[in-house]
This record gives sequence, C-alpha cells and structure tokens, in this order.
Amino acid sequence: NAGVTQTPKFQVLKTGQSMTLQCAQDMNHEYMSWYRQDPGMGLRLIHYSVGAGITDQGEVPNGYNVSRSTTEDFPLRLLSAAPSQTSVYFCASTLSGRADEQYFGPGTRLTVT
Amino acid sequence: AQTVTQSQPEMSVQEAETVTLSCTYDTSESDYYLFWYKQPPSRQMILVIRQEAYKQQNATENRFSVNFQKAAKSFSLKISDSQLGDAAMYFCAYRNFGNEKLTFGTGTRLTIIP
Repeated sequence: NAGVTQTPKFQVLKTGQSMTLQCAQDMNHEYMSWYRQDPGMGLRLIHYSVGAGITDQGEVPNGYNVSRSTTEDFPLRLLSAAPSQTSVYFCASTLSGRADEQYFGPGTRLTVT
Repeated sequence: AQTVTQSQPEMSVQEAETVTLSCTYDTSESDYYLFWYKQPPSRQMILVIRQEAYKQQNATENRFSVNFQKAAKSFSLKISDSQLGDAAMYFCAYRNFGNEKLTFGTGTRLTIIP
C-alpha cells in the first residue's frame, strides 16, 4: 500500500512550457484534489474530483487543467507555465462522505523561470 | 466562503514545556470538521488531530489536545511536553460536513528550544 504518490519531486520549467504533475493513490479513494502551497498563504485548492469522470474547480484553478479517467490517477496539467506558478504542489485523497483524514502525497516543488 | 485565520506566524517553546497554537475560523454552517496538520521539514502533511463540530468534548491525541469553542469559532492546539520532533509548520484546516474540500490557515512555524 503506497498511499498517495506524486512525480516528479522537483521540476524546473521555462516560462511557456507545459508539463503534467502525476498523482496516484492505491486506497480506492473517490475524492482526490490538488493544492498549491505558497509562503505565507497556506494550502489553496486548485482542482478536485469526487470520482472518475467528475472534476471541478477549486479556489485557484486558472492555468491548470485536470482529468480523472480512473479512480487511481489524477494528473494536473500546466498548459503554459508562468513564474506565478512557482510553488509546491500537493495531491490528496480521501473517502467521500466521511470525516476521514485526507492523505497527502509528498509534494512536487515546481520552479518556473 | 469559509476562512481560517492563524494569527501567530511563528512560535517557540522550551523543550518539555507546553505551547498553544491559535486558530479561528468563520462559517455560517453548523456541521463541520476541524483539523490540525503538521508539516515537518520533509514537507509531508501529517494529520495531528481532528474535531467534529457536533461533539462538545475536546479531542485529544496523546500529548496533543484542542480547545474547541464553537460559539467563539476558535480551535486552538495545545502541545504538552514539547519534543524536538514537534518542530514544524502547523496548519489549521476547516471542512464542511458532506464536502471534502479543505480550507487551510496560513500556518504557524513552531520552534522547539533545547
């Protein structure tokens, strides 16, 4: 049971480049989400999914795209990277409809130059 | 929309002493959950303690306990017998009942002085 895994752990992009941050979980969780963490701002919700084929926007969705074709995977796509997207990105998952904790991945540190 | 406020960007405490981290939140809901997460230098987010709003009894987990004041919308974390391994960023988080979205505070960096 690997929990929530994220790849890569570190990434440097140039402005305008695109990339996909990968997230996978093996706990059969319906709910998955992406957060970004910036200094002094805590974690902010980017996108979330309540099940395969269903996604919705969070607090800061602009510049990001997601899809959920399987229960296990929830990739986050940066379409055209900007310096403002320099951040640490966390993926999380949990069972829906319960007060269970959210399980977080180890994070991806992204730098856009 | 719900908001979570942590007014102490940094705190420090002597090893073996007790420290309290503050958190206030704003919501019009009556059913919700509150959490404290710990983020050590490894960056991993670790759940410390959770509180269901309908429960009047304050949650405790070993050396960690909360003071939940629903009317005042306050949710503080008390760490007793502080240990060097408690040094981390601590985030307070809110979640509505029936909704998995978490709203986080800005965090408190806790330093343990040997």
